[in-house]
Amino acid sequence: EVQLVESGGGLVQPGGSLRLSCAASGFTFSTYWMTWVRQSPGKGLEWVANIKQDGSEKNYVDSVKGRFTISRDDAKNSLYLQMNSLRAEDTALYYCARCSGSGSTFDYWGQGTLVTVSS
Amino acid sequence: AIRMTQSPSSISASTGDRVTITCRASQHISNYVAWYQQKPGKAPQLLIYAAYILQSGVPSRFSGSGSGTDFTLTISSLQSEDFAIYFCQQYYTYPWTFGQGTEVEIK
Repeated sequence: EVQLVESGGGLVQPGGSLRLSCAASGFTFSTYWMTWVRQSPGKGLEWVANIKQDGSEKNYVDSVKGRFTISRDDAKNSLYLQMNSLRAEDTALYYCARCSGSGSTFDYWGQGTLVTVSS
Repeated sequence: AIRMTQSPSSISASTGDRVTITCRASQHISNYVAWYQQKPGKAPQLLIYAAYILQSGVPSRFSGSGSGTDFTLTISSLQSEDFAIYFCQQYYTYPWTFGQGTEVEIK
C-alpha cells in the first residue's frame, strides 16, 4: 500500500525557516518524480515544486523560487522541502504527492502538514 | 502562468442527477488536463488524466472530455459519495496550475 506521511510543519515567524519531510513507503520511491502541493485555508490548490527521479531536475512555482528548495534521499525513501524567508502568504497545508507515470499528475497524496507563518 | 477557470463555482444536485463541470484554460493546452476530487479534511484524489483517461479504481460514472482550451468533467449519475469539491489541473507547461474548484453540494 502506497503511503506518504508528511511532517515538519508548525508555527513560524515571518522571515523564518522550516524543513518539511515526507516519508514514502509501499512503492519504489527512487523511480518516481515527486512533488509538493499546498492549499491555503479555505482556498484552492497550488503546485509548489517537483523533483525528478535522480534529483537532476527541479521545478518551482515563481512565488517560491530562491526561497524554497526541494530535495530527496532515495536511500531513506524521503522527500524534503526546505523553506526559507517565509511569508504570511506561505501559510498553507503542504501535501507531498507522488507523480504518476507521466510525471505530471499526482496519483497518491499524503494527508498534509500545516505551515503557519505569523508573528 | 496558465489560468484555469472552472464553472460553476458550486452546484446543488440530487442523487441520480447528471452533473457537468467545465474548466477553461487561458491558452491552448492540448489534452494535458487532470481532474481531482477532494472531500472535507482529506487530500485530493486523482480521477482523470489526459482529459479523458480514468484513473484506476475510479467508477465509470465519471468521464472527461475536451481538448485545446475547454474541458468537462461529467458525473453521469451522482452518488452520495460524490458530494465533494472538484479541481482541474493543467500540466501542459510549468507552473502547473489548478482551477479554483467546484463544490458539488446536496440539493
